[in-house]
Formats: sequence, structure tokens, C-alpha cells
Amino acid sequence: AQSVTQLDSQVPVFEEAPVELRCNYSSSVSVYLFWYVQYPNQGLQLLLKYLSGSTLVESINGFEAEFNKSQTSFHLRKPSVHISDTAEYFCAVHVLTGGGNKLTFGTGTQLKVEL
Amino acid sequence: DVKVTQSSRYLVKRTGEKVFLECVQDMDHENMFWYRQDPGLGLRLIYFSYDVKMKEKGDIPEGYSVSREKKERFSLILESASTNQTSMYLCASSSRTASSYEQYFGPGTRLTVT
Repeated sequence: AQSVTQLDSQVPVFEEAPVELRCNYSSSVSVYLFWYVQYPNQGLQLLLKYLSGSTLVESINGFEAEFNKSQTSFHLRKPSVHISDTAEYFCAVHVLTGGGNKLTFGTGTQLKVEL
Repeated sequence: DVKVTQSSRYLVKRTGEKVFLECVQDMDHENMFWYRQDPGLGLRLIYFSYDVKMKEKGDIPEGYSVSREKKERFSLILESASTNQTSMYLCASSSRTASSYEQYFGPGTRLTVT
């Protein structure tokens, strides 16, 4: 069964420093991978996704993630973080079931950006 | 813009009460989902529905039921609320035909059972 592991529950970082949030997946079939972000007191929003093609995908606010099949990873990176990036980040993998499509989520990584 | 709305942002109920959480989406999506979110556990799928009157159990269906009588509406029911059901509940929807597989989330309902 497809699953994702987020190794870090919390990542503190200073503003303008680089950050990497780690995500590893397990799947025996083709994978579709996602990163979602949840700002305080809000629902989840899609940050970026990998479906096929280029293994490096980017978001509009400077995040990027690279699909690495040999390491079964989809780590999220940003070269310089801002206070407004403080949020919880969830990695997810697509699962095809008999009834339809669903996503399996990781346990989340809380990114805290400090001055 | 896809919009998923949930009936309440905050809800306080007593143990043993029957609780209804409502979710409505306006994008004609076939798939709808209910998750609960707890610190350190991430999002766990309770139930999902891939069509009207169709439902499938998720990872943690015990103590919950669902209803989908209309395409745009998906209800989560706690037949007899218990304190261990205190949590954040998130509803989501997605298109069965879109190749993006993206799910769109509502703002969440924070339920407290006392």
C-alpha cells in the first residue's frame, strides 16, 4: 500500500535561511506526489505536485520539490524563507482504489520561521 | 474558484449527543472526503464518497457514519459523541475525471466534546 513518511515533526529556521522538509514514500506503482500547506486556522492548500515529466516542480511562492525515484523521496526546499512561510506542510501520495482516487497524507511538518 | 464550505468553524457538544457536520462544494465534484486532523497524526481519512449515495470506509471509520444524498453535500455523523472524537475535521472534494487528482479543502470544523 502507498504511504508517506515525514521524518521531521518540527523544523525551526531563521528568516532568509534555506530549508528542506523531508518526505519519503513507498509505492509499488507509478506515483503522484503532492505537498500541501496549512496556514494557522485554515484548511489545506495545494503547494505543488508531481504527476509526470520533469522531476523538479516549483510553486509560485519559491518552493520547489524534486521527485527522486531511486531514493523514493519528494523533499520540499526553499532557498530563503520568510516569516509568512510559517505553517504546517503535508506530503501526500495518490492512491487508486476500487471506488475512486484518494490521497494518503504524512503526519505533517511544522515549519517555524523566526527573526 | 473551487469552494468547499463547512457548516461550522467551532462546535462544542456533550458526550452522547448526535452530531452532524455538513460540507458543501460548488464545483460539481464526484469525490468527497472527511478527514480528522490531530497533532502528530496528520490527516486520517474517515470516509469518502465517489458518487451520490456511494461511500467507502477510510482508515478510521469507527464511531462515524456519512450521508450523501446530493452531489454537492457530504455529511459526517457522530451517532453518540465521545471525548476521543474531539478533533479538527476537514472536508475535501475532487474531480473523478481530472487527471490532477488534486483535493480542495474546506476551512475545517474544530469539534470539542465535553
